[in-house]
Amino acid sequence: EFVLTQSPGTLSLSPGDRATLSCRASQSLDSRYLAWYQQKPGQAPRLLIYGASSRAAGIPDRFSGSGSGTDFTLTISRLEPEDFAVYYCQQYRSSVMYTFGQGTKLEVK
Amino acid sequence: QVLLQESGPGLVKPLETLSLTCTVSGGSIRTHYWIWLRQSPGKGLEWIGYKHYSGSNNYNPSLRSRASVSVDTAKTQFSLRLSSMTAADTAMYYCAGMPVGPIFGWFDPWGQGTLVTVSS
Repeated sequence: EFVLTQSPGTLSLSPGDRATLSCRASQSLDSRYLAWYQQKPGQAPRLLIYGASSRAAGIPDRFSGSGSGTDFTLTISRLEPEDFAVYYCQQYRSSVMYTFGQGTKLEVK
Repeated sequence: QVLLQESGPGLVKPLETLSLTCTVSGGSIRTHYWIWLRQSPGKGLEWIGYKHYSGSNNYNPSLRSRASVSVDTAKTQFSLRLSSMTAADTAMYYCAGMPVGPIFGWFDPWGQGTLVTVSS
């Protein structure tokens, strides 16, 4: 079973801070098969990053993704008030089983 | 910009079949694989199954025996049927698209979601 573990569970920061969110895979993952999403309360998830580092259309450049192997990172360079939300990573290495991490909640300190 | 809108009952009785429809607007139904996902507090985000207008499809092994996704190109809609519903199937259900390409599997766009409760 392919498991994605996100850390921390909750991250408390202030607007203007830099946020670093982690996603660890239970097996090595080609970076082409890793995506990140943002979900705000009452809304559907929104694609931020695919292929570990490619920003989706309309996503501000303060969002960046990196990583390889089993360790991947979503970085928000300078937090805006609208960035406080829950973030999920997702792997799509196998079309037989797509899996999501359990999420990191980014909250205002 | 492709937009998705789910429709269907918010309440389903135990052992009944859930039927949901997602209407695609603002783009072609041929450019994506169309997928259903759900989200519940206990199980997080979970994919159910997807289908392309050409017929290719796949299902989450844990739901394969109960799920069916269909695509109606004339109506630019796709649908989910999930049989033998139980309380464990209570969740927010989302429709979404996976852009077709040599590598695919990320989900964009998404519908706004529809809450489905299983209760007698």
